[in-house]
Amino acid sequence: DAGVTQSPTHLIKTRGQQVTLRCSPKSGHDTVSWYQQALGQGPQFIFQYYEEEERQRGNFPDRFSGHQFPNYSSELNVNALLLGDSALYLCASSLGGRFSPLHFGNGTRLTVT
Amino acid sequence: AQKITQTQPGMFVQEKEAVTLDCTYDTSDPSYGLFWYKQPSSGEMIFLIYQGSYDQQNATEGRYSLNFQKARKSANLVISASQLGDSAMYFCAMRESTGANSKLTFGKGITLSVRP
Repeated sequence: DAGVTQSPTHLIKTRGQQVTLRCSPKSGHDTVSWYQQALGQGPQFIFQYYEEEERQRGNFPDRFSGHQFPNYSSELNVNALLLGDSALYLCASSLGGRFSPLHFGNGTRLTVT
Repeated sequence: AQKITQTQPGMFVQEKEAVTLDCTYDTSDPSYGLFWYKQPSSGEMIFLIYQGSYDQQNATEGRYSLNFQKARKSANLVISASQLGDSAMYFCAMRESTGANSKLTFGKGITLSVRP
């Protein structure tokens, strides 16, 4: 049973560029969330997708956008990259349920130079 | 106000001993869920244990148990018989009942080092 998979594992971009990160949820899961984790900090919620719609959004600018596909996989897009966007980006999936645990992928390490 | 507070500095424990990692939380919602995750240096966030606010008993999962004190708003993780592989960052997190599939709010984490 495949868990949450993310690609790529590492990425280096230049300020001002755009980046797309990808996530495949755990088999059977229909909800995908994205988190940003700066070095030495806890993950911060970016947004959540369910039924191909953004359901909740954290305190992130519009430069951060996403998409969920009919097969429940998801993409995170970040435009006009800033140095401060350098972080570990974690994708998590869950199966409905108000308090069902989130299952995380290994993350994508984004470095903006 | 911080929703999840983890204030312990880096923790050290001798192999095979037990260790308690502290977590306090703040919410006005009567229905919520508390979670602990482990993050090794590889980066993956591994789910350890869950405690619901209405659960009558403290949650246990193998060597992990949660010391849930609702009145004090604390949800401490107890790891028994520590192993070298337990060395990692540990995060306490909460989901409130506001809205379906509400977000997970994390604390800043605690670093645990297990000494041989």
